[in-house]
Amino acid sequence: GAGVSQTPSNKVTEKGKYVELRCDPISGHTALYWYRQSLGQGPEFLIYFQGTGAADDSGLPNDRFFAVRPEGSVSTLKIQRTERGDSAVYLCASSRTGPTGELFFGEGSRLTVL
Amino acid sequence: GENVEQHPSTLSVQEGDSAVIKCTYSDSASNYFPWYKQELGKRPQLIIDIRSNVGEKKDQRIAVTLNKTAKHFSLHITETQPEDSAVYFCAARGSGGGADGLTFGKGTHLIIQP
Repeated sequence: GAGVSQTPSNKVTEKGKYVELRCDPISGHTALYWYRQSLGQGPEFLIYFQGTGAADDSGLPNDRFFAVRPEGSVSTLKIQRTERGDSAVYLCASSRTGPTGELFFGEGSRLTVL
Repeated sequence: GENVEQHPSTLSVQEGDSAVIKCTYSDSASNYFPWYKQELGKRPQLIIDIRSNVGEKKDQRIAVTLNKTAKHFSLHITETQPEDSAVYFCAARGSGGGADGLTFGKGTHLIIQP
């Protein structure tokens, strides 16, 4: 596709449920990032993939959060036992090279945990 | 890790006037400083970036300056127009192995008054 695609655009779930958010990066981009953006805040780094491997997962808040990128393209962010504090917009971004290349963001997945 | 402070949080200027947004960073090893613009409900988009080996960069009405000694960088928008109204985020990336994600500031809501 022409840009970074994220699905679903909106997800409402109940506390304690499991959620998966998907990111389809720009074709050929080797670097993929997940960020979380709360209302009135800047994007907060979660995890960075270079190819299939997680090069840096230091931003994941706890072990309820996990992300995979098995074939070096599409990535899935997985959140177990969701909590109300997980409510935010989850942004995916990709880059042709790495962290000093331009990041192209998707429109985000808005997660609401009731 | 890196810490980025951004101010002001809200900036209102008359159309045609200039706007300046300032950021400071904590990691003296940081070497890449992008600025992103985010319109309401939209994805962040890169508008300009600067690397640590230059002190200023210009692109039409937008310029960024970097003072490595003081660890601060600024965004300057001249001849502001209504379409410049948005939230602007500064970011910084350290040089640690290429694995670190960008650290963003909290954003500046720029309002252009007609």
